Amino acid sequence: GDSVTQMEGPVTLSEEAFLTINCTYTATGYPSLFWYVQYPGEGLQLLLKATKADDKGSNKGFEATYRKETTSFHLEKGSVQVSDSAVYFCALGSSNTGKLIFGQGTTLQVKP
Amino acid sequence: SAVISQKPSRDICQRGTSLTIQCQVDSQVTMMFWYRQQPGQSLTLIATANQGSEATYESGFVIDKFPISRPNLTFSTLTVSNMSPEDSSIYLCSVEGTGVYEQYFGPGTRLTVT
Repeated sequence: GDSVTQMEGPVTLSEEAFLTINCTYTATGYPSLFWYVQYPGEGLQLLLKATKADDKGSNKGFEATYRKETTSFHLEKGSVQVSDSAVYFCALGSSNTGKLIFGQGTTLQVKP
Repeated sequence: SAVISQKPSRDICQRGTSLTIQCQVDSQVTMMFWYRQQPGQSLTLIATANQGSEATYESGFVIDKFPISRPNLTFSTLTVSNMSPEDSSIYLCSVEGTGVYEQYFGPGTRLTVT
């Protein structure tokens, strides 16, 4: 079945460092891909999305490109801030089931 | 995007009791979803609730344990019945978004069962 695999955390970075969180997927059909962010004590917020191959989603300095050839949707940010500390979830919208399938989440901690 | 509220935001309950969680959205939506997020874990879909029909439960979740109501297009409830400490989790509702497969999430209900 469809699935999502994220790099394990926690990821600890200094402020202004470059961020990459890896996400790969397995899917049949034509999934949509998402990154959600969960700040401490809060629900999930949609960060960005891409609906077809080679689409780039971007928001708040974060970006991710839907790579069908490598089945990947890695999240990147050029310069992280302390306020970016959160759990990041990669998710796949399955065209098979119509449901969202989440990765296990990656905790990011940014130190001043 | 839709604005979603949940009540209560958190609760501490005794084993064997039940808790009903409310989810309210500021616009009419066809599909609402209920998820469980166990401590340090990812999200697991409990059920999909469409207005006017019975909720559809995922494997491992049953109506007797997690009854769901969906009386109209802006509201749903999830009840966690006969609770045990293993039910300690964050329970999140979500609604369909404007994009394909997109969902918007509420702030969650943090449940602790003692």
